[in-house]
Amino acid sequence: AQSVSQHNHHVILSEAASLELGCNYSYGGTVNLFWYVQYPGQHLQLLLKYFSGDPLVKGIKGFEAEFIKSKFSFNLRKPSVQWSDTAEYFCAVNGEETGANNLFFGTGTRLTVIP
Amino acid sequence: GAGVSQTPSNKVTEKGKYVELRCDPISGHTALYWYRQSLGQGPEFLIYFQGTGAADDSGLPNDRFFAVRPEGSVSTLKIQRTERGDSAVYLCASSVSGENTGELFFGEGSRLTVL
Repeated sequence: AQSVSQHNHHVILSEAASLELGCNYSYGGTVNLFWYVQYPGQHLQLLLKYFSGDPLVKGIKGFEAEFIKSKFSFNLRKPSVQWSDTAEYFCAVNGEETGANNLFFGTGTRLTVIP
Repeated sequence: GAGVSQTPSNKVTEKGKYVELRCDPISGHTALYWYRQSLGQGPEFLIYFQGTGAADDSGLPNDRFFAVRPEGSVSTLKIQRTERGDSAVYLCASSVSGENTGELFFGEGSRLTVL
């Protein structure tokens, strides 16, 4: 079945540790890829997105993600996390197979950063 | 306000009752989306409006769910004969247009609890 998979359900890190959250998708054709973040008590907001071009995308707050087409992956990274990065992170996809007007989300990864 | 506004923020109802959830998108955004987020899951697409018309309602789970956007701005999601399984956070999002813009602006959601 077509899906977006986030393998890590809950990640706990200490401040200054490096972060990598996995995202794999199973849609064919052209895809657009997104990471959204939901801080405690707040609404979902866009962290970064990939449409085309350089597969290494930089977003807000020092986050980046790399699109690896051969692996159907779009992993999120940050070299040094802060306590304020504690949030839930969602990978999302749209494109040829899903329709451009529809985002399909993964189940999310909860990140807890310990001061 | 500047963001997407959803009311009510919380709704508790009894099984079998009728519920309406309202979304006021960002001014000037022509595209409006409804998503549903169950506990431990990512947002699940329900319906997408471009202007006043429902351009894609393929995510509505059954005919108890209906949404309108009569003037191309505010939208109402209507759920008839609610069931316990309808309990979830209902998210509304808007974007400048539906044409693959990539960024959806989400509201804080309406949490529906069906007893």
